[in-house]
Amino acid sequence: KAGVTQTPRYLIKTRGQQVTLSCSPISGHRSVSWYQQTPGQGLQFLFEYFSETQRNKGNFPGRFSGRQFSNSRSEMNVSTLELGDSALYLCASSWTSGRLSSYEQYFGPGTRLTVT
Amino acid sequence: QKEVEQNSGPLSVPEGAIASLNCTYSDRVSQSFFWYRQYSGKSPELIMSIYSNGDKEDGRFTAQLNKASQYVSLLIRDSQPSDSATYLCAVSGDTGRRALTFGSGTRLQVQP
Repeated sequence: KAGVTQTPRYLIKTRGQQVTLSCSPISGHRSVSWYQQTPGQGLQFLFEYFSETQRNKGNFPGRFSGRQFSNSRSEMNVSTLELGDSALYLCASSWTSGRLSSYEQYFGPGTRLTVT
Repeated sequence: QKEVEQNSGPLSVPEGAIASLNCTYSDRVSQSFFWYRQYSGKSPELIMSIYSNGDKEDGRFTAQLNKASQYVSLLIRDSQPSDSATYLCAVSGDTGRRALTFGSGTRLQVQP
């Protein structure tokens, strides 16, 4: 079974621009979560989507947003980029089906975003 | 603020020894506990999950959970140089069981 895929793998943007990152979960996984990893702050939860709805949101400004499509693929968007947004953005998927859920999350390879 | 604490290391053990990694968490209502391994330049890889008090074994790995002491640990038996990586403890609570709070990680070095 293929793992979580993320595109693009690397991205360089300038301050003030916006960026969209994409994530395709493991086949059959309907929950997608996004995390930011930086050397200073470590791994931090951004948001979780299930059934095209945001279920949870971390403590990030409104410039960070996301969405999920009917095929469970997800995108996250960062508007008005700041230097501090330079990070590894990780997508994780987990299986859930109605009342049954697994809380184990499997990470994709990440998108390395550099803001100059 | 919910916190997950880990010793940053490095924890250095000889090949074949038992490596013991520890993690404490502050949120008493935490429900799910995970250990991830992250090699340099790679994404985290799930190696263990544990949800109830006690021990859970999977191959060379044993996860231990003590909710009363708010303590999670990971034991790696017969450590190999390929186990050298950063080990991240992750915890989720009542706000959302997929909203993981991560510790800063413990760097493990297994000496050949």
